[in-house]
Amino acid sequence: EDQVTQSPEALRLQEGESSSLNCSYTVSGLRGLFWYRQDPGKGPEFLFTLYSAGEEKEKERLKATLTKKESFLHITAPKPEDSATYLCAVPRGNQAGTALIFGKGTTLSVSS
Amino acid sequence: DGGITQSPKYLFRKEGQNVTLSCEQNLNHDAMYWYRQDPGQGLRLIYYSQIVNDFQKGDIAEGYSVSREKKESFPLTVTSAQKNPTAFYLCASSMDGFQPQHFGDGTRLSIL
Repeated sequence: EDQVTQSPEALRLQEGESSSLNCSYTVSGLRGLFWYRQDPGKGPEFLFTLYSAGEEKEKERLKATLTKKESFLHITAPKPEDSATYLCAVPRGNQAGTALIFGKGTTLSVSS
Repeated sequence: DGGITQSPKYLFRKEGQNVTLSCEQNLNHDAMYWYRQDPGQGLRLIYYSQIVNDFQKGDIAEGYSVSREKKESFPLTVTSAQKNPTAFYLCASSMDGFQPQHFGDGTRLSIL
């Protein structure tokens, strides 16, 4: 069964304290992995797409990496405004007429 | 600006009542999706549609119905058969199942 698992469920950091969020997946034939940021009461905001093992994408203090079994979202020197829930998702199956499976997310809190 | 508009932002349902949530997109996307989000549950797929006049059930379709008469619109009806409708409902769209989904800002449904 296709599955996406994120860890930890919650993460508290001090401003400037770097860390990583994990997204592990079990799907046959990965056709992309997506990272999103969600603020309370808002819809998820798209951050990155990764398609192949070894690929990396960066945006400000965030860097996403991908291996054959998992993806990491590295947060370097976070600021309070990085506080949000981070979601990862992968397409189900191998057909374009499909939908995404989402993990339950990691809620990040950064304090000053 | 292109995007997805969900309305209303807040909705209250009386016992035995059907309510309809609106979702409109001007991104020219073929695929549209409805998710339900509960605390600690992540995003769960209700229905999705890859083309006009066609849609598929997701993981939790019972008690819900949809239509896709226009490319831009994908309304969701929460029927009286849905006994626990209180949740945050999110609509999304994408070019196809392998492309990033873009989300609206959600509708929060509560029971009166």
